[in-house]
Amino acid sequence: DQQVKQNSPSLSVQEGRISILNCDYTNSMFDYFLWYKKYPAEGPTFLISISSIKDKNEDGRFTVFLNKSAKHLSLHIVPSQPGDSAVYFCAASTFAGAGSYQLTFGKGTKLSVIP
Amino acid sequence: EAQVTQNPRYLITVTGKKLTVTCSQNMNHEYMSWYRQDPGLGLRQIYYSMNVEVTDKGDVPEGYKVSRKEKRNFPLILESPSPNQTSLYFCASGTSGSRPDTQYFGPGTRLTVL
Repeated sequence: DQQVKQNSPSLSVQEGRISILNCDYTNSMFDYFLWYKKYPAEGPTFLISISSIKDKNEDGRFTVFLNKSAKHLSLHIVPSQPGDSAVYFCAASTFAGAGSYQLTFGKGTKLSVIP
Repeated sequence: EAQVTQNPRYLITVTGKKLTVTCSQNMNHEYMSWYRQDPGLGLRQIYYSMNVEVTDKGDVPEGYKVSRKEKRNFPLILESPSPNQTSLYFCASGTSGSRPDTQYFGPGTRLTVL
C-alpha cells in the first residue's frame, strides 16, 4: 500500500512559468513533509520541508503548501528555470520512537523546464 | 567537505556472489540508512541505524544485511545476490532526534545482478 503518492510521473513547463508538483498521502500519522530534488547520477538533495502544524513554507522560488484535511501537499516553483529540471521526490516522516524518524518516499515526478 | 561516500559507484555481479557496498560519512551523524530506488517505485528504505551497534529493518530488508561497528561506516551486505536486487542504492546519514531534513544522501551505487 503506497502511503505517499505522486500521481504525475512527469511534468513539462516553460521557463519563467510556475511549476506545480503534487503529492498525496494516506497515513494521518505523518507529521513532517519534505521535498527532495534529484539530478541524474547524484543522490537526492533536500529542497524544502513543512511541519504538519503549518500550511505554507516558502524559501526563495520554492513554496510548499500543505492541506491536512485533504492529505495533500504541493510544491510551487516560481519562476521555473532550466536548472530546475530534475526528479522531485515527495517524502513524509513519522516519529519512530527513541529519537528516530522514518521517511516514506513517493515515486517521484520528473520536471522538465523548457527554455 | 561534509559528505556521504559510497563504493563502488557501479557494480555488475552474478547471482550468489557475496558483495558489500560501503558507506561512509564524515559528519559525525548518529543516524544512517540505506535505500533502493527502482523505476516506478521511488525510494524504499532497506535498513537504518540509530547509532553504533543499533540497526533496524526498513520497508524492504529481505536479502540484505547491515552492520554498524563504527559511527562513520554503514556497509550494506548482500550475502547471495539475486537479479531482483538489481537497483540503484543510496546511503544516507543524519542527526538523530532532529528534523528529518538533516538527512544527507550519498551519490548512489548502481548494482546489476546477472
